[in-house]
Amino acid sequence: GAGVSQTPSNKVTEKGKYVELRCDPISGHTALYWYRQSLGQGPEFLIYFQGTGAADDSGLPNDRFFAVRPEGSVSTLKIQRTERGDSAVYLCASSPEGGASSYEQYFGPGTRLTVT
Amino acid sequence: DAKTTQPTSMDCAEGRAANLPCNHSTISGNEYVYWYRQIHSQGPQYIIHGLKNNETNEMASLIITEDRKSSTLILPHATLRDTAVYYCIVRVATGTYKYIFGTGTRLKVLA
Repeated sequence: GAGVSQTPSNKVTEKGKYVELRCDPISGHTALYWYRQSLGQGPEFLIYFQGTGAADDSGLPNDRFFAVRPEGSVSTLKIQRTERGDSAVYLCASSPEGGASSYEQYFGPGTRLTVT
Repeated sequence: DAKTTQPTSMDCAEGRAANLPCNHSTISGNEYVYWYRQIHSQGPQYIIHGLKNNETNEMASLIITEDRKSSTLILPHATLRDTAVYYCIVRVATGTYKYIFGTGTRLKVLA
């Protein structure tokens, strides 16, 4: 079946611009996660959705970052006033149910964001 | 902060077993150990996970010490396609169940 998809695969933007990154989770998965991966590092947790609500946004670095999941499926990560330090690969993952601790997360291919 | 420590890199001869160690000395009783791998420019791929008992699937085996402070991922017959970064992750057992990644082990399988 279809896996997690993310669009665009690559995004180049100028410093100060606004960007949106999209994640399409596996159909039926209620839990959705965003991670950010800088070069040479492991992914870093940003935010977790259970259904439509953001159950944990403790990983968002500052208020320039925001994410939504209005219908409980597709999610959009929004970054305002981008900075060069925001350059990274943004990964999305979904899971059948976040509340069951044994379920694995399925990752998408990521969006590579470059801020010039 | 990452709850796991792994060697930065390892080499393994093709066809031989690859044994990747991981320390997670601060793991809580209800936290699972997960292993993922990441091939260049792809998202992390699930390999295996466990709580207390050793686990085996078609990809690998996971050996967890009795005190749960460390584990070893075993790829029984490594191939060139197993070259990747391998992450040992402790999954938070309550709330978000988020993953806390470390920097992983870069495994290179040599022909």
